[in-house]
Amino acid sequence: DAKTTQPTSMDCAEGRAANLPCNHSTISGNEYVYWYRQIHSQGPQYIIHGLKNNETNEMASLIITEDRKSSTLILPHATLRDTAVYYCIVSPLGGSQGNLIFGKGTKLSVKP
Amino acid sequence: GAVVSQHPSWVICKSGTSVKIECRSLDFQATTMFWYRQFPKQSLMLMATSNEGSKATYEQGVEKDKFLINHASLTLSTLTVTSAHPEDSSFYICSARDPRSGNTEAFFGQGTRLTVV
Repeated sequence: DAKTTQPTSMDCAEGRAANLPCNHSTISGNEYVYWYRQIHSQGPQYIIHGLKNNETNEMASLIITEDRKSSTLILPHATLRDTAVYYCIVSPLGGSQGNLIFGKGTKLSVKP
Repeated sequence: GAVVSQHPSWVICKSGTSVKIECRSLDFQATTMFWYRQFPKQSLMLMATSNEGSKATYEQGVEKDKFLINHASLTLSTLTVTSAHPEDSSFYICSARDPRSGNTEAFFGQGTRLTVV
């Protein structure tokens, strides 16, 4: 079973920041927080991952609480093309456990 | 990022026939690939782990004789749905991690939509 809890759906206005929360209260010390998104009828796309420090790349920022029990994915300027299901996943980094266990994710709808 | 490609993107087959889906890592070698299945409005469910040069590992409840997996090379894994039935209609997705990046990111194929009629 997935070890994360996310809201089922969220709306965001185009051009505004989208903040997607995720709870992972049972995360283990060796597990990273990964975020993927899936646009309709496509394979999942990697967004970002982190262990305990906040991370930023060209797509998004990841804010992880100090106790690592929750995190927030931030899309700074959402566009219509960001409409997708966003999955928060906890997993060890690479190694023998390469598979990812997907929960139900958050369906983000970006509206004009 | 690394590229994982699936073929075909979609396929329609008659009930009772077999269908083969290919998953290729285009610019890296993958000793392990993963096969997922996704039914409408549901999340991805891991079906099996494909290991180059050895037998695949199947998740509980997945019939290994129905879903044949072959990982013949470091860049190709195939999933064959044998004697397909309408309930096998689903979106099949493969993934692999790129060892060049320390296996930090899993890359996914674009998926194959199978419809059994």
